[in-house]
Amino acid sequence: DGGITQSPKYLFRKEGQNVTLSCEQNLNHDAMYWYRQDPGQGLRLIYYSQIVNDFQKGDIAEGYSVSREKKESFPLTVTSAQKNPTAFYLCASSIVRDQPQHFGDGTRLSIL
Amino acid sequence: RKEVEQDPGPFNVPEGATVAFNCTYSNSASQSFFWYRQDCRKEPKLLMSVYSSGNEDGRFTAQLNRASQYISLLIRDSKLSDSATYLCVVYSGTYKYIFGTGTRLKVLA
Repeated sequence: DGGITQSPKYLFRKEGQNVTLSCEQNLNHDAMYWYRQDPGQGLRLIYYSQIVNDFQKGDIAEGYSVSREKKESFPLTVTSAQKNPTAFYLCASSIVRDQPQHFGDGTRLSIL
Repeated sequence: RKEVEQDPGPFNVPEGATVAFNCTYSNSASQSFFWYRQDCRKEPKLLMSVYSSGNEDGRFTAQLNRASQYISLLIRDSKLSDSATYLCVVYSGTYKYIFGTGTRLKVLA
């Protein structure tokens, strides 16, 4: 079955540590996205990528970095510069812009 | 004014009831609209897309009112399994999807 796989499901970060969240899709979608969800708030866009080797900052990119070396993969690194990283992180993809997004099952990140 | 606004609820309805949610958006140039369902601590799942005046899928009907800038979701014959948070999403161009904060629905036995 086609879909989006995120790993790990739960992640704990120590102070000063960078951590990387994995996102892989086999839907053959060109566009991929990373969102952050905090309680009581809508999803907020961190980064998006329209195509391999290209990505753009979203609304809350500070403290995060991404790469898009393969169509299927869009990993997100939460750097030590992100001072409030505790959240539910969701990866999504869409075949093209303005089409519905499909989501992975998310990664919950907490600080130790 | 928020770009996308939803009543947070909760809407508590008995099984079998009909319930409707509205979602207002501020950008009149918005092109595409979506309803997602999100269960507690899970990812959003696409319920339906709304590209023109409306869309129907079984017990679910979505309608778009461009003049008043809102979309609605109607659920008929509510089931216990419909209990969830319903997210309204507005596509406003350049890969920008704006998410509402969601409306909570509780269907009571």
